[in-house]
Amino acid sequence: EDQVTQSPEALRLQEGESSSLNCSYTVSGLRGLFWYRQDPGKGPEFLFTLYSAGEEKEKERLKATLTKKESSLHITAPKPEDSATYLCAVQAVVSGDSSYKLIFGSGTRLLVRP
Amino acid sequence: KAGVTQTPRYLIKTRGQQVTLSCSPISGHRSVSWYQQTPGQGLQFLFEYFSETQRNKGNFPGRFSGRQFSNSRSEMNVSTLELGDSALYLCASSKNRLETQYFGPGTRLLVL
Repeated sequence: EDQVTQSPEALRLQEGESSSLNCSYTVSGLRGLFWYRQDPGKGPEFLFTLYSAGEEKEKERLKATLTKKESSLHITAPKPEDSATYLCAVQAVVSGDSSYKLIFGSGTRLLVRP
Repeated sequence: KAGVTQTPRYLIKTRGQQVTLSCSPISGHRSVSWYQQTPGQGLQFLFEYFSETQRNKGNFPGRFSGRQFSNSRSEMNVSTLELGDSALYLCASSKNRLETQYFGPGTRLLVL
């Protein structure tokens, strides 16, 4: 069964304390992997798209990488405003069909304390 | 460029009623997808519309339906509401199928 697993479920960091969030997946026909940030009560905000193993993308304090079985989102010197839930989503082939589906992980809740 | 808009933002209904939610995609985007988000199940895919046709459907009962208009705007309908339908309903649009999806703010539905 296609599955996307994010770890840890929750992460508390001190301001400036760098860390990584992990997203592992078991899907057939991976087409792309997406990272989103979601603030409470709001819709997910797009961060990155990764398509192939070895690919890296950076934006401000965030850096996303992709391997064949997982992706990491590294946060360098985080600030309190980085506090949010980070969602990973994988676009995979629907078995027996020519269409694709987007499967979301359950997210990592990040809290950055000043 | 305006983002994805959803109306209404909040809704309270009672069991057995039906509800219609609306989504206006980013200008130029032709694909619209709908998701249900709950604390227990996370983000679950409902369906995808492209060129006024449903292209993909998640594992939800037939009470959940949708449609897309010629201007790419989309609506989803839930009939015979149940308590478990209480959730944040999110709409996402992309330029074409399989491209990056951009989400709206969501409609929070509470079923009493």
